[in-house]
Amino acid sequence: GAGVSQSPSNKVTEKGKDVELRCDPISGHTALYWYRQSLGQGLEFLIYFQGNSAPDKSGLPSDRFSAERTGGSVSTLTIQRTQQEDSAVYLCASSLAGRGFNEQFFGPGTRLTVL
Amino acid sequence: AQSVAQPEDQVNVAEGNPLTVKCTYSVSGNPYLFWYVQYPNRGLQFLLKYITGDNLVKGSYGFEAEFNKSQTSFHLKKPSALVSDSALYFCAVRDDSYNTDKLIFGTGTRLQVFP
Repeated sequence: GAGVSQSPSNKVTEKGKDVELRCDPISGHTALYWYRQSLGQGLEFLIYFQGNSAPDKSGLPSDRFSAERTGGSVSTLTIQRTQQEDSAVYLCASSLAGRGFNEQFFGPGTRLTVL
Repeated sequence: AQSVAQPEDQVNVAEGNPLTVKCTYSVSGNPYLFWYVQYPNRGLQFLLKYITGDNLVKGSYGFEAEFNKSQTSFHLKKPSALVSDSALYFCAVRDDSYNTDKLIFGTGTRLQVFP
């Protein structure tokens, strides 16, 4: 079946512009996660959605970052007034109902470059 | 607080030799532990996980990992390395004492297998 998809695969933007990154999780997966992978760094947790529960936003680095998940499926990560330090690969993952022990399936990522 | 340490940025091994990629963790409750692999220009792929039960966990591509509670370690191993195993490996942990399914990832270890 189809895996996690993300779009666009690459995004180049100018400092100060807003960007939207999209994630389509695996059908039937109720948990969705966003991570950021900077060059030479590990994965940094950003936000987690589980069903209709309030999202865990504890990893969002500033109020310029926000995310929503519509209809329990597609998610959009929005970065407002982008800064050069926002340049990174943004990874989305999904898993079966959050039970803690289900593995996450990752998308290919969106490479964001802020000039 | 949850944390994961991968003390080696890079591991070099000759093809056919055994390999070990180290991971240690710190949690308040019981750990759920995962290994993921990232091939160049591709997303992360799940390798194996420890939730409970046998300390030796077997996963994809001939990899295995041993959970050691006293040493708080979850080292990844393979008896005989292949050149195609060359990739970036991430260890991750979830602490079951927290009411969230987010994973905390290590900074990654680059495995280089030489012919």
